[in-house]
Amino acid sequence: DARVTQTPRHKVTEMGQEVTMRCQPILGHNTVFWYRQTMMQGLELLAYFRNRAPLDDSGMPKDRFSAEMPDATLATLKIQPSEPRDSAVYFCASGPGTGAPEETQYFGPGTRLLVL
Amino acid sequence: ELKVEQNPLFLSMQEGKNYTIYCNYSTTSDRLYWYRQDPGKSLESLFVLLSNGAVKQEGRLMASLDTKARLSTLHITAAVHDLSATYFCAVDPTGTASKLTFGTGTRLQVTL
Repeated sequence: DARVTQTPRHKVTEMGQEVTMRCQPILGHNTVFWYRQTMMQGLELLAYFRNRAPLDDSGMPKDRFSAEMPDATLATLKIQPSEPRDSAVYFCASGPGTGAPEETQYFGPGTRLLVL
Repeated sequence: ELKVEQNPLFLSMQEGKNYTIYCNYSTTSDRLYWYRQDPGKSLESLFVLLSNGAVKQEGRLMASLDTKARLSTLHITAAVHDLSATYFCAVDPTGTASKLTFGTGTRLQVTL
């Protein structure tokens, strides 16, 4: 059963602390996406990678957020320092990246982050 | 800036009734996606619509795409409680299943 996995599923932290979220894409998928979901802004694309290379991170606040793919099975999203306005659900998604017409993105369960 | 708007934002309907959710987008795109999200859960892909006039059906849900009008619809036939969820459309003007811009979502509540 191929699924995107994310850890942790829930995180409560205090303002100023570093937060690291991890994602394991579906095996064989070469495209990875990070989204943020809030009530006010909805679903926003933060960054995405293809073959581990960052292709677009224009949706990500550069001063405190960073995204990396240390290897093909792990993507990370870090926030340092965290702020209360970062409270949201962060989704990772992956896609095969084959360019097939019906290709879609497969979402992980999300990390629910609360910054106090 | 690409804008994707859905209406209604919230829909309460009785079981057995029919209704349509609308998705309008502001730029040319030949590819449109529909996703479902249950409360507190992840997003599940429902449909990928690839061209003008495309129609896809799965159970009580039918999605269509009119690229000239920049409009997609998600039609619900004879709603059942299990369809209660939030439905999102998303547009990908790049045609690469990459830079998806999501709509605001339509929260559907089907009552007995």
